[in-house]
Amino acid sequence: NAGVTQTPKFQVLKTGQSMTLQCAQDMNHEYMSWYRQDPGMGLRLIHYSVGAGITDQGEVPNGYNVSRSTTEDFPLRLLSAAPSQTSVYFCASSLTGLGYNEQFFGPGTRLTVL
Amino acid sequence: GQQLNQSPQSMFIQEGEDVSMNCTSSSIFNTWLWYKQDPGEGPVLLIALYKAGELTSNGRLTAQFGITRKDSFLNISASIPSDVGIYFCAGQGTYKYIFGTGTRLKVLA
Repeated sequence: NAGVTQTPKFQVLKTGQSMTLQCAQDMNHEYMSWYRQDPGMGLRLIHYSVGAGITDQGEVPNGYNVSRSTTEDFPLRLLSAAPSQTSVYFCASSLTGLGYNEQFFGPGTRLTVL
Repeated sequence: GQQLNQSPQSMFIQEGEDVSMNCTSSSIFNTWLWYKQDPGEGPVLLIALYKAGELTSNGRLTAQFGITRKDSFLNISASIPSDVGIYFCAGQGTYKYIFGTGTRLKVLA
């Protein structure tokens, strides 16, 4: 199993550009989520999904869109990048989002918005 | 957004010393989790706690789920150089995980 994979590893954007961060898992997990990590802020939940076709907002959803057309993939879209979105983005998955199931994290995407 | 209060923010310790860090919340959680993050990587789960008052060990790590369900602590005994990293607590609600701000640990040989 590859676990949770994320692409790209690094990305530089100009203000106003759009892009999609890719996330995929091969563990047949129902629950997937996106976090951003800023210095001294820990990880903050952006969006999550409890299964294909079902998504919901986390703590900091503004400026980001998600969709979940398959169990395996959960892309994160930045429609119009802003410097405040400079961060490290982590995707995670777990078997379900209820009770306790271990979350597995991807290696992260480091995004800089100029 | 909601975040958990984690302390201390950073620690410098000598190899062989014990370490203690804690996490508090204004909200109740059903599950408390402790993660470690190495530079350039995603967090990795260390310990999961499911019941108030539960004390769980994983090798040199010991963690407790507070009786009020609003706090947790993590102890590392006899620290070694590879313990260096950032330690995060997290509380699990319904479909959402809330993370602490992290404790950055440096071990001096």
